[in-house]
Amino acid sequence: SYVLTQPPSVSVAPGKTARITCGGNNIGSKSVHWYQQKPGQAPVLVIYYDSDRPSGIPERFSGSNSGNTATLTISRVEAGDEADYYCQVWDSSSDHPVVFGGGTKLTVL
Amino acid sequence: EVQLVESGGGLVQPGGSLRLSCSASGFTFSSYAMHWVRQAPGKGLEYVSAISSNGGSTYYADSVKGRFTISRDNSKNTLYLQMSSLRAEDTAVYYCVMGYSSSWYDDGWFDPWGQGTLVTVSS
Repeated sequence: SYVLTQPPSVSVAPGKTARITCGGNNIGSKSVHWYQQKPGQAPVLVIYYDSDRPSGIPERFSGSNSGNTATLTISRVEAGDEADYYCQVWDSSSDHPVVFGGGTKLTVL
Repeated sequence: EVQLVESGGGLVQPGGSLRLSCSASGFTFSSYAMHWVRQAPGKGLEYVSAISSNGGSTYYADSVKGRFTISRDNSKNTLYLQMSSLRAEDTAVYYCVMGYSSSWYDDGWFDPWGQGTLVTVSS
């Protein structure tokens, strides 16, 4: 089955840029969606179709996807961005159609 | 505003059964596929089950196949997950999630998510 690999943790100082990667075999050929989950809350969609932003999500959140890596970029990081972030794809080649990455804990220093 | 409200979680003994419900509002429920995603304590997200908008097509993860049954009542705007032969490893928060289209299998995103309901399987 298809595997998505995320770093367990990323730390960044306020005002700096955080980059959270999601690795997968030829992930650039798939559409990647990103979710933010704060403690005790349900996940929230922050990026869909690699780089589109839902209404209400700050422009500081952006995404890219190429080759074997998709990246969620958070510019001008704020304390309120501290959360777990998950990438997700659909995989048509296996019996496990929906794949989530293991999640990345973003810590704002 | 789209709202999804899960209910039915609780403590159940191994081997027991439980039925989760998800009440939907704010959108045309009968036009969208629906999904269940779970999250074990301190763990990541796991895709569990899905159903097409008319209920004619369903999906189950291998981990729950033969034990869980997904269904929906479009007249009541409600999604269900009947869980039986529960195991300790089924302990998780179960989220009801709106699909992107009428088909459960598409390339779309999951949004929004309900607040989740906790299922604890323990003796």
